[in-house]
Amino acid sequence: DGGITQSPKYLFRKEGQNVTLSCEQNLNHDAMYWYRQDPGQGLRLIYYSQIVNDFQKGDIAEGYSVSREKKESFPLTVTSAQKNPTAFYLCASSSPGTGYEQYFGPGTRLTVT
Amino acid sequence: ELKVEQNPLFLSMQEGKNYTIYCNYSTTSDRLYWYRQDPGKSLESLFVLLSNGAVKQEGRLMASLDTKARLSTLHITAAVHDLSATYFCAVDSYSGTYKYIFGTGTRLKVLA
Repeated sequence: DGGITQSPKYLFRKEGQNVTLSCEQNLNHDAMYWYRQDPGQGLRLIYYSQIVNDFQKGDIAEGYSVSREKKESFPLTVTSAQKNPTAFYLCASSSPGTGYEQYFGPGTRLTVT
Repeated sequence: ELKVEQNPLFLSMQEGKNYTIYCNYSTTSDRLYWYRQDPGKSLESLFVLLSNGAVKQEGRLMASLDTKARLSTLHITAAVHDLSATYFCAVDSYSGTYKYIFGTGTRLKVLA
């Protein structure tokens, strides 16, 4: 089955620690995206990538970093510089072949104390 | 700056009633997307509207797009409790690369 996987589903960390969230897709999509969602809020774009080895900052990139070494993978690192990292993180991918429709992973809920 | 606004933000309705959610956006875009999100879950794609005048229907939900008015509607017919969720619209924006702008979401509660 094609789809997007994110791991882990729940993640707990202490303040001051960097943490990496995994996102993998086997849809052969070129573009991948990371969003952050706070309780009761909409989605805010963190980073996105259209091709391997290239990515762009979204609206709230400060305190986050990404890499795109493989087409299938787009990991997100939440660094200690991110002031309020506790949130629900969603990864998505898209392709012109699907009308640019975004497919979402199941999400990772990060709690930092 | 591209903005996407939805209204209402909250909607409480009785089962069996009809209602419409509106999605306005501030720039030219030929593509609009509707998603559903259940509490604690990810987003599920409902509709992809790819051109002016596009209309799509699935069960009790029907979405339409008017690119001239920069408006999309999500119409709910004879609501049932299972439709309770948050609904988001989104448009894509191209400036060298594609990115998506999401609306604020409409939290729908259908009362039995």
